Amino acid sequence: QVHLVESGGGVVQPGRSLRLSCAASGSTFSRDGMHWVRQAPGKGLEWVAVIWYDGSNKYYADSVKGRFTISRDNSKNTLYLQMNSLTAEDTAVYYCARDTSITGDGTDALDIWGQGTRVTVSS
Amino acid sequence: SYVLTQPPSVSVAPGQTASITCGGSNIGSKSVHWYQQKPGQAPVLVIYYDTERPPGIPERFSGSNSGNTATLSINRVEAGDEADYYCQVWDRSDHQVFGGGTKLAVL
Repeated sequence: QVHLVESGGGVVQPGRSLRLSCAASGSTFSRDGMHWVRQAPGKGLEWVAVIWYDGSNKYYADSVKGRFTISRDNSKNTLYLQMNSLTAEDTAVYYCARDTSITGDGTDALDIWGQGTRVTVSS
Repeated sequence: SYVLTQPPSVSVAPGQTASITCGGSNIGSKSVHWYQQKPGQAPVLVIYYDTERPPGIPERFSGSNSGNTATLSINRVEAGDEADYYCQVWDRSDHQVFGGGTKLAVL
């Protein structure tokens, strides 16, 4: 059974950077599309980014495009989210999640979620 | 951009059926997935590909999708079903899209 654990959250000042990690256990990580999804306090789910199983394609929500970068290291079973130029609007719990697409392209349901890591952007 | 519209809240008495809708332009042509999220917890997939249940999800949960509306139905609602529910689709332009969420209250 795949298990996901996020880390790297914390309090950061506006304009600064932060890198989140998502460690995956289980043997399928290198075949799975992976997502980052966030949830601002008291708000709904917002999709942030997706990366294909082999890292060949990456897509972003308009709200983070040009500031956030999703990446992965399949040799370490780890997903990353580099977040630059952070603003108060980026304050949220960030979840990593596995996509069920059998082609690994991140176009289906998200069946495994981590517990989330909280990011607070505040001066 | 593709928009999914959900009612903010739905209320139902225990033992009754709850129906949560998700509206979108020609959503019937897309695959809809549904998530349950309880306070302080990560979302859980409860329905995928419109009607399929993942292992461990009770048969009380079912889904349908046609035209401009997808629906999550929960039969014989229990107190433990009280949660936020989100629909989600993949869109070629926006990639993954979530609805705004519906809070299910069990009276």
